Amino acid sequence: EDQVTQSPEALRLQEGESSSLNCSYTVSGLRGLFWYRQDPGKGPEFLFTLYSAGEEKEKERLKATLTKKESFLHITAPKPEDSATYLCAVQAPRNTDKLIFGTGTRLQVFP
Amino acid sequence: EPEVTQTPSHQVTQMGQEVILRCVPISNHLYFYWYRQILGQKVEFLVSFYNNEISEKSEIFDDQFSVERPDGSNFTLKIRSTKLEDSAMYFCASSGPTTQYFGPGTRLTVL
Repeated sequence: EDQVTQSPEALRLQEGESSSLNCSYTVSGLRGLFWYRQDPGKGPEFLFTLYSAGEEKEKERLKATLTKKESFLHITAPKPEDSATYLCAVQAPRNTDKLIFGTGTRLQVFP
Repeated sequence: EPEVTQTPSHQVTQMGQEVILRCVPISNHLYFYWYRQILGQKVEFLVSFYNNEISEKSEIFDDQFSVERPDGSNFTLKIRSTKLEDSAMYFCASSGPTTQYFGPGTRLTVL
């Protein structure tokens, strides 16, 4: 069964303290791995798509990487406005477009 | 920047009543989706829609649910007879070739 596991569930960081969020996946034939940011009571906001092992994408303080079994979201020198839940989702074989989400990592950055 | 919009933002209904949740996808997108998120849980896929028909649906999407694209801009989710367990955030998403963009959600509360 296709599955996505994110860790840690929650992460508290001091402003400027860099860290990484993990997304492990088991899926038969990965089409794409997606990172979203979700603020409380809001919809998921797209951040990155990764398609193949070794690929990296960057946006401001965020960098996403992908291996054959997991993806990491690296946050460099975070600011309080980076506080949110970060969701990982995978898209499986070619006959489906549905996204399979993990439970997310709730990030809090304190000044 | 184009975005997915949803109305209403919050819907309160009595158990057994019918509700219709509305979405306006991004205008040049061809693929449409509904997901839901029960409080504290994962985002779950409900249904995908392409070329005026359902392309895939999950086990959750039973006979109580239906989707429709009544005109060139709106995409709706109808729940015929709501149950307490239907209380959740419902997200509409649309995509072009790859990335799914989500709306802000409708919070459905069934009393």
